[in-house]
Parts: sequence; C-alpha cells; structure tokens
Amino acid sequence: DAGVTQSPTHLIKTRGQHVTLRCSPISGHKSVSWYQQVLGQGPQFIFQYYEKEERGRGNFPDRFSARQFPNYSSELNVNALLLGDSALYLCASSPDRVKETQYFGPGTRLLVL
Amino acid sequence: GQQLNQSPQSMFIQEGEDVSMNCTSSSIFNTWLWYKQDPGEGPVLLIALYKAGELTSNGRLTAQFGITRKDSFLNISASIPSDVGIYFCAGQGNSGTYKYIFGTGTRLKVLA
Repeated sequence: DAGVTQSPTHLIKTRGQHVTLRCSPISGHKSVSWYQQVLGQGPQFIFQYYEKEERGRGNFPDRFSARQFPNYSSELNVNALLLGDSALYLCASSPDRVKETQYFGPGTRLLVL
Repeated sequence: GQQLNQSPQSMFIQEGEDVSMNCTSSSIFNTWLWYKQDPGEGPVLLIALYKAGELTSNGRLTAQFGITRKDSFLNISASIPSDVGIYFCAGQGNSGTYKYIFGTGTRLKVLA
C-alpha cells in the first residue's frame, strides 16, 4: 500500500504570496494532521482534520487554513507568506481506531524569499 | 511552540555500543510515539506505546512508557552506522484531538 503522499516536494515563493500544499493519506485513513518543522526543531502541530471537519488547531495565525475533501485528502493554505514561514511542512495520517498512531509523508519544503 | 524535553540533545557513539535517550513532559500523556528522521525527509515511526509501564521492542530498538505517564525512554542496542539520524519522541494527551507534541530531538552519530 502507498504511504502518505505530499505535493509538491519543494516550493519557492516570495513574501506576500499565497501557497497551497496537498496531502493524500494512507488508504483507509480518515484523519489528516499538518505540522510545520523549522530547521533544527521538532514538528509543530498546525491542524487536524477528521471526516472533513477541523478537530484541532495549533498556535498558528489565521493566515494558515486547511480543508479535507470527501476522499480524505487535504490541502494546507498559507496566505501573505512571511520569511518565517520557510519550513518543512509535514502531513500525517491516522487510521480510524482507538490507538491513533500517526504516519508521516515526506513533506513539502517551502522557501520564502 | 510547545516541545517536550529530550535528552541528550546529541551523542556520538562507537558502532556496536548501546544508546539510551529519554523524553519528559510536564503533562500526562496517553500515547507516546518514537520517530527517526533523516535529513530532508519525513519522520518514520519506530515504536508506539499506549499504556503506562508498557515495554515494546522493534528489532534492536526498545521503548518504554513511563509509569508516571510523563516520560518515555528509547534504547538502541548494538548500534550500526545506519542508526545515524535524529530521533523524536511525540506525546498525545487527553485533549480530544489527535494533536501530538514533539520533543526537541536527539541527534545520533555513529562512528564506525
């Protein structure tokens, strides 16, 4: 079975622009979470979606938004990009079970100039 | 952002040596996960722990869920060069979401 897939793999934007990152979860997984990982740090939780509804939000500004589609894939949108948004954006999916183990995709590396 | 305390921050060891690292939290967690991350890639799940006191192995890796539910430990036996990477712990509390809080990471370097 395919793992979590993310696109694009790399992206370069300039300040003020908008970006959309995409994620497809493992087949059968209904939950998707987004994390931001700045160089040298652990991943920071941004959003969690389950059955197309937002179930959790981390401490990120309203410039960050996300949604989940009927096929459980997800998009992360970031508006008005800042230099500090440069990071590896990770998507993780979880099965619909009591023990919610998360499996990560390879990430999208975003560079804001 | 919030991060768990992981120690040591980095370590150099000789091939064949055993490695121990731990992760501590001020909050109680219901689940602990351990990941390994190579540069430029996503974290790869190594071990999942769901119960206080639980001891789980995956090959040369063994992890334990602390009795207090505020800490977890990862041991690697007989290290090999491919063990090089950054190891992260992640804990999930009882907030009603699937939010995981990650540790600061332990960077492991193995000398052949």
